[in-house]
Amino acid sequence: EAGVTQFPSHSVIEKGQTVTLRCDPISGHDNLYWYRRVMGKEIKFLLHFVKESKQDESGMPNNRFLAERTGGTYSTLKVQPAELEDSGVYFCASSQGQGEFYEQYFGPGTRLTVT
Amino acid sequence: GQQVMQIPQYQHVQEGEDFTTYCNSSTTLSNIQWYKQRPGGHPVFLIQLVKSGEVKKQKRLTFQFGEAKKNSSLHITATQTTDVGTYFCAGGTSYGKLTFGQGTILTVHP
Repeated sequence: EAGVTQFPSHSVIEKGQTVTLRCDPISGHDNLYWYRRVMGKEIKFLLHFVKESKQDESGMPNNRFLAERTGGTYSTLKVQPAELEDSGVYFCASSQGQGEFYEQYFGPGTRLTVT
Repeated sequence: GQQVMQIPQYQHVQEGEDFTTYCNSSTTLSNIQWYKQRPGGHPVFLIQLVKSGEVKKQKRLTFQFGEAKKNSSLHITATQTTDVGTYFCAGGTSYGKLTFGQGTILTVHP
């Protein structure tokens, strides 16, 4: 079974530019989560999709971040315009169901550097 | 909002020594999960604890969930070099959102 995949693995952009991160969850997983780890800090929740619907987007930092999951398959996270503080590793995770009995499988992450 | 504090931030041990990392939550948790991230890797699920006072073992790893469901610990007996990495606890909700602790970076010296 293929795991969660993320693209790109690394991205270096200048402040003010736009970047789009992609996540392909495990096939059949309706639940998709985005997390972010800024250097030296904890992994923070950004948002949660159930199929194509946003279940919880309470962790999105501001309106420069836009997440989509059209068709309920892969998801994209766009940052526009990027700021220096957006640098970090963005993880995507998926699970078959939601709640305490479903393991979340994490992707390898996208390391974003904003210069 | 919910906060999960994890200590220590770093732990250096000699191979064969034991290791423990602790987590405390500001609120009662629905469940607590533990993840391991190898250097350069991504978080990998280790275990989930749901019941008050629960203790689970995986070979040399022992996981505990406090009676009040606000704290948890991970203990590794007789560490090996393969145990190196960052160990995260994460408080879970009934709908899936995880609140991570800061992680403990474990270094094992051969």
